[in-house]
Amino acid sequence: AQSVTQLGSHVSVSEGALVLLRCNYSSSVPPYLFWYVQYPNQGLQLLLKYTSAATLVKGINGFEAEFKKSETSFHLTKPSAHMSDAAEYFCAVKGNFGNEKLTFGTGTRLTIIP
Amino acid sequence: EAGVAQSPRYKIIEKRQSVAFWCNPISGHATLYWYQQILGQGPKLLIQFQNNGVVDDSQLPKDRFSAERLKGVDSTLKIQPAKLEDSAVYLCASSSGTSGGLQETQYFGPGTRLLVL
Repeated sequence: AQSVTQLGSHVSVSEGALVLLRCNYSSSVPPYLFWYVQYPNQGLQLLLKYTSAATLVKGINGFEAEFKKSETSFHLTKPSAHMSDAAEYFCAVKGNFGNEKLTFGTGTRLTIIP
Repeated sequence: EAGVAQSPRYKIIEKRQSVAFWCNPISGHATLYWYQQILGQGPKLLIQFQNNGVVDDSQLPKDRFSAERLKGVDSTLKIQPAKLEDSAVYLCASSSGTSGGLQETQYFGPGTRLLVL
């Protein structure tokens, strides 16, 4: 079964600094990978997804993620943090056979320091 | 385009009581999902519908949880009787394609926050 591990339940960065949120996946076959963001008291919103078309995926709000098969990683980055980026971020994986469900990591809470 | 609607937004009940949540997916979306998100954890799929049929309910505690999507549009999730450990946010999501759509995006509602005392 597919799974993802998010390293660091809490990450704090200064405004304007690089954002790096880590996600490693476990899958026997190349999976589909997703990053979602959840703002307080709201549902999840898709930031970006990897579907094997390109290893570097660009998403909304200036975020991007790179699929690295050799490292089984799909880390999320943003060059310059904004206060509005403060939220919880979830990495998720889906297998590529039939109707496999979306499996989420435990989430990383991002705090932006003014 | 209207998003996924859920109600109520918040619910407080005592253990052993029953509770129901409602979800209206994005218009035209064939697939509907219910997730349970316990504090500090990622969402966990409880049940997936395609139109009015169940695709996956392997993680639904069927002794107390039930869900239906009778006309293939909106859906209700019920808990009876509730336990303390059912305190969580219940998220509804929908997607446009048929089940097995590997790349289709799931759109989430704002969730219902349940507290069981």
